[in-house]
Parts: sequence; C-alpha cells; structure tokens
Amino acid sequence: DQQVKQNSPSLSVQEGRISILNCDYTNSMFDYFLWYKKYPAEGPTFLISISSIKDKNEDGRFTVFLNKSAKHLSLHIVPSQPGDSAVYFCAADVSGTYKYIFGTGTRLKVLA
Amino acid sequence: NAGVTQTPKFRILKIGQSMTLQCTQDMNHNYMYWYRQDPGMGLKLIYYSVGAGITDKGEVPNGYNVSRSTTEDFPLRLELAAPSQTSVYFCASSFTDRPGYEQYFGPGTRLTVT
Repeated sequence: DQQVKQNSPSLSVQEGRISILNCDYTNSMFDYFLWYKKYPAEGPTFLISISSIKDKNEDGRFTVFLNKSAKHLSLHIVPSQPGDSAVYFCAADVSGTYKYIFGTGTRLKVLA
Repeated sequence: NAGVTQTPKFRILKIGQSMTLQCTQDMNHNYMYWYRQDPGMGLKLIYYSVGAGITDKGEVPNGYNVSRSTTEDFPLRLELAAPSQTSVYFCASSFTDRPGYEQYFGPGTRLTVT
C-alpha cells in the first residue's frame, strides 16, 4: 500500500512561471512532511519541511502547503528556474519510527 | 566536509555472488540509513542505525545485513545476490531524529544483478 502518493510522474513549466507539485497521503499519523530534490547521479537533498500542525511553510522561492482534511500537500516554486529541473520527492515521517515514507517522485522540467 | 560518501558508484554482480556497499560520513552523525530505489518507485528503507553497535530493520531488510562498528561507517552486505536486488542504493545520515529531521544522502550505488 502506497501511503504517500505523487500521482504526476512529470511536469513541464516555463521559466518564470509557477511550478506546483502535489502529494497525497493516507496515514493521518504522519507528523512531518518533507520535500527532497534529486538531480541525476546524485543523492536527494533536503528542500523544505512542514509540521502537521501548520498549513504553510515558506523558504525563499519555495512554499509548501498542507491541507490535513484532504490529506494533501503541495510544493510551489515561484518563479521557476531552469536549475529547478530535477525529480522532487515528498516524504512523510511518523515521530519515533526512524522511517520516512517516500513518494515515487515527480520529474520537473523548467523550460527556458 | 565530504558529507556522505559511497563506494562503488556502479557494480554488476552475478546471481549468487556477494558484496559490500560502503558508506562513510564525516559529519559525526549518530543516525545512519540505507535505502533502495527501484525504477519509478520511491526510496524504501532497508536498515538503519541510531549509533555505533545499534542497528535495526527497515521496510525491506530481506537479503541484506549491516554492521555499525564506528560512528562514521555503515556498510551494507548483500549475500547471495538476486535479480530482485537490482536497484540504486542510497546511504544517508542525520544529526538527530527529531520530527522533520533532515537526512543527508550519498550519491548512490547503482547495482545490477544478472
């Protein structure tokens, strides 16, 4: 059972526009949600996180929104840049389990 | 700081062979993790360690073993390699296990079993 789902395998956006990456989850016990970015031939790198008690967290061009009633989170990138082209994973954490549950990733391509 | 380093970068194994994937971190992190990523899938936790001498199973531990004799090193051992173990393996470490903690990942080892 896939507890964290990223239903869009890929997304293309024009440079300067907004990129919106979506993630759905099924487990209401998740404490924290994180987004990681991954370039080819590299390991994932942490991007931004949000606690389950918040509905928004912002860091520069990146904002994550959490809708607990819909069990949905999204990552907004504004403005999108060609260097943002990568695979984005959302992950969820149940406190004390040492286990992150990762989604399958969305490949973002920002077109110049 | 080199961060998290993994060797080798690539490896081809024959069915039934064994090998050790090496992972070293120089950030003095207590927590270390091994993940595998199959094509089109998310990362799945194989084993983790909360400190030297302490390891535990993750979601998909079958066919693997780990040890943690030092803070820096967390090798992953594959015994009797099978085609189902063809994957990209990532090692990660973290300073803390507080909720929302950031994990630092190595560049990965791409393993093919034929």
